[in-house]
Amino acid sequence: GENVEQHPSTLSVQEGDSAVIKCTYSDSASNYFPWYKQELGKRPQLIIDIRSNVGEKKDQRIAVTLNKTAKHFSLHITETQPEDSAVYFCAATGGTSYGKLTFGQGTILTVHP
Amino acid sequence: GAVVSQHPSRVICKSGTSVKIECRSLDFQATTMFWYRQFPKQSLMLMATSNEGSKATYEQGVEKDKFLINHASLTLSTLTVTSAHPEDSSFYICSAKGPRGTYEQYFGPGTRLTVT
Repeated sequence: GENVEQHPSTLSVQEGDSAVIKCTYSDSASNYFPWYKQELGKRPQLIIDIRSNVGEKKDQRIAVTLNKTAKHFSLHITETQPEDSAVYFCAATGGTSYGKLTFGQGTILTVHP
Repeated sequence: GAVVSQHPSRVICKSGTSVKIECRSLDFQATTMFWYRQFPKQSLMLMATSNEGSKATYEQGVEKDKFLINHASLTLSTLTVTSAHPEDSSFYICSAKGPRGTYEQYFGPGTRLTVT
């Protein structure tokens, strides 16, 4: 099955700095890669996703890049704000997984004012 | 659109009792729903895939007789934790898969289960 590794486990930045979270996946058949933001006790919220036919996608301060050859994808947050502080999860699915998401271990992002 | 609800949001039960958690897709039909468990400071672990009108598919290591899943309609899936024990205390989250051909999942708000 699919295996997703996520790094770093914690990330601390100053307000206004950029934050980068990286994930690798094992199944070359995976073709959908979402990123979720989860606040304590709340549901995961989809913040951006990318499909395997695209190398990069951007939505305001958030961008995701995908390298299919290396099987890794990254989340980039620019001009971070304190409200960006949360746990971020990457995930992967596709191929024979029938839509089942495999999540990374999560990254606790703290943005200091 | 694409709203998923869960009930209850929090439940406390005694060891040995059973607890039922409901997951509903409010404005769309979901032929496939997923149940996840999340322990504190950990990631979401898929427990099972729930398909309307058929038996659930459980992930390796998940006891199907302990975690009963019923997907009786296109908008409702239920998870029943039977003979609950303190180690079953966790955050349980369901999700509903989007329309055929899409991979996006819509998550419920989660249910905090505490077994005393």
